[in-house]
Amino acid sequence: NAGVTQTPKFQVLKTGQSMTLQCAQDMNHNSMYWYRQDPGMGLRLIYYSASEGTTDKGEVPNGYNVSRLNKREFSLRLESAAPSQTSVYFCASSMDSNYEQYFGPGTRLTVT
Amino acid sequence: GENVEQHPSTLSVQEGDSAVIKCTYSDSASNYFPWYKQELGKRPQLIIDIRSNVGEKKDQRIAVTLNKTAKHFSLHITETQPEDSAVYFCAARVGGGADGLTFGKGTHLIIQP
Repeated sequence: NAGVTQTPKFQVLKTGQSMTLQCAQDMNHNSMYWYRQDPGMGLRLIYYSASEGTTDKGEVPNGYNVSRLNKREFSLRLESAAPSQTSVYFCASSMDSNYEQYFGPGTRLTVT
Repeated sequence: GENVEQHPSTLSVQEGDSAVIKCTYSDSASNYFPWYKQELGKRPQLIIDIRSNVGEKKDQRIAVTLNKTAKHFSLHITETQPEDSAVYFCAARVGGGADGLTFGKGTHLIIQP
C-alpha cells in the first residue's frame, strides 16, 4: 500500500496563477483532510470531507476550493494564488473522524 | 471553535533524561487527543493518542496523561535518545462532528549528547 500520496512535491507559482494539488489514498478511508503548515503555526485545517460527495470548511478556507472526486481522491484548488498561500500543504485521511489520521508527504508551494 | 495551546516551544534535554510537553484545550466536548512527531522535511506521524474516557496511556518510553477537569494533556518521553529529536505536535478533536484536528504550534525537542 502506498498510503496517502500527493502531487506535486514542489511548485512555484506567480501571483494570480491557479493550480490544483492532488491527493489520493489507497486505505479505503472515508474521511480526508487538507491542512497547511506555516513556520511556528502548527497545522491548520483548510477543508475536510467526511465521506464521498461531502466537503466542509475548516479553520482557514478562504482562497481555496476542494473536490472529493471519489472515495480515493481529494483535490485542493487555488483559483488565484497569493503570496500568503506560500506554505507546505498536507493531505490526510482516516477511517472516520474518530480514528488516526495518516498524512501524505506534503506539497511545498511558493507563490511569488 | 477549539483552541490548543502547547508549551514549551523549545525543549532541550540531556540524552537519557525525561522530557515533558504540555497542552491545554478549550472545548470541553473534545474527546480525542493525538500526539504527532515530525522530523525535518517529513510528514507528521502519530506516536500515541488518548481518548477522553482514559486518563493515561503508555507505549514503551512514551506516555500521555489527560486531565479532563483541567482540560490539559501531556506527553512524557523517558530515557530520551538522539532519534527523539524532532518537532512534536499535540492536537484535539471535538466530539460529535466530522471535522479535523486542531493542532498546537509544536515543541522542538532537542536531545543533547
